[in-house]
Amino acid sequence: DADVTQTPRNRITKTGKRIMLECSQTKGHDRMYWYRQDPGLGLRLIYYSFDVKDINKGEISDGYSVSRQAQAKFSLSLESAIPNQTALYFCATSGLAGGKAYNEQFFGPGTRLTVL
Amino acid sequence: GNSVTQMEGPVTLSEEAFLTINCTYTATGYPSLFWYVQYPGEGLQLLLKATKADDKGSNKGFEATYRKETTSFHLEKGSVQVSDSAVYFCALTQNTGGFKTIFGAGTRLFVKA
Repeated sequence: DADVTQTPRNRITKTGKRIMLECSQTKGHDRMYWYRQDPGLGLRLIYYSFDVKDINKGEISDGYSVSRQAQAKFSLSLESAIPNQTALYFCATSGLAGGKAYNEQFFGPGTRLTVL
Repeated sequence: GNSVTQMEGPVTLSEEAFLTINCTYTATGYPSLFWYVQYPGEGLQLLLKATKADDKGSNKGFEATYRKETTSFHLEKGSVQVSDSAVYFCALTQNTGGFKTIFGAGTRLFVKA
């Protein structure tokens, strides 16, 4: 079954460390997204990409960077982690695949990040 | 800008009770509207969607109707089950420009046996 996977699923790190979260998809979608989820705030968009050469900032991109290494891979980096980046992070895909357009999003299982 | 407002939770119901979770939106043009569900320890998954005014989305006994006149997309289910306990998110996707999705804050539902 076509899927969206995220690694790691859980990570505990210290303030100032560099962290990379990875996302891979086998859905063949062209669009990929990174969100963070905080209690009571829903999901907030960090970055999104409509193809390998297209990277766009979301509403809360400060302190984060991304890389779209291939259509199927989209990684999120925290260059110098700080405690208020403790959250649940989700990768999602949508867009065109197999000649069909999907405007709903398909989510990975999430990465729980704790910054001490 | 675009926004989604949904009722605050948690909502606690007994099994077989009727469920309504209210959702209203602000958007220019004609967005697509969605309900996503998040079960414990999992990512969000699409529950239902509607792409134009007066469309009704339905799935697993849940329904929601796209009401442009009241800018609403309320989620309903006639008889909830314990297995429906989850967090429900209302969302909209603008179908032009950036196709970005805006999510509501989520409503946690607890269903008691």
